Amino acid sequence: KNQVEQSPQSLIILEGKNCTLQCNYTVSPFSNLRWYKQDTGRGPVSLTIMTFSENTKSNGRYTATLDADTKQSSLHITASQLSDSASYICVVSVRGSTLGRLYFGRGTQLTVWP
Amino acid sequence: AAGVIQSPRHLIKEKRETATLKCYPIPRHDTVYWYQQGPGQDPQFLISFYEKMQSDKGSIPDRFSAQQFSDYHSELNMSSLELGDSALYFCASSLSDVGGEETQYFGPGTRLLVL
Repeated sequence: KNQVEQSPQSLIILEGKNCTLQCNYTVSPFSNLRWYKQDTGRGPVSLTIMTFSENTKSNGRYTATLDADTKQSSLHITASQLSDSASYICVVSVRGSTLGRLYFGRGTQLTVWP
Repeated sequence: AAGVIQSPRHLIKEKRETATLKCYPIPRHDTVYWYQQGPGQDPQFLISFYEKMQSDKGSIPDRFSAQQFSDYHSELNMSSLELGDSALYFCASSLSDVGGEETQYFGPGTRLLVL
């Protein structure tokens, strides 16, 4: 079982609409959680990073939330644009034993239609 | 700003051949990571290096080896290639931070196709 689960697996929305992507994790001990955007055939690009004590963090039209008690995170995209079409990956890192090994979710494939 | 550079971007090999992938981290980053992403799959951690020493090892096959050189660039050597090795190989670099907020910056990847 993957230690980072994302939902939905895919999502289609119209340009200008908002959407929310979900991430549940079981990775422990938790260090931080990142949301990455990955365009097809390209490397993931970091959108936000949150540590245990942070509940929300924004980066432009992207707002991430984190509930470390329930081990859930969400990424909210407002006023979507065509360029938002990509895979959004939730990535959790473990505290302590390694230098930042990351646990990846399978991603949510977002498609924005005009 | 300079990003992570990977070469080559595309590579085609035949079964049982060898391949070498190169990664040039962002200047002053001290940690390099290698990931393998198969078609439709999430990236799988292979191996990482911190200050030229192997720091962590993931699901890297014994046929693969890697190292980080004095200029911090890293090379992933893959021998006896198999069809299943066809994937996108990402390199990422970061500047280690004991506070736990380090961010890994990914390169564009090398797409390897084994025929």
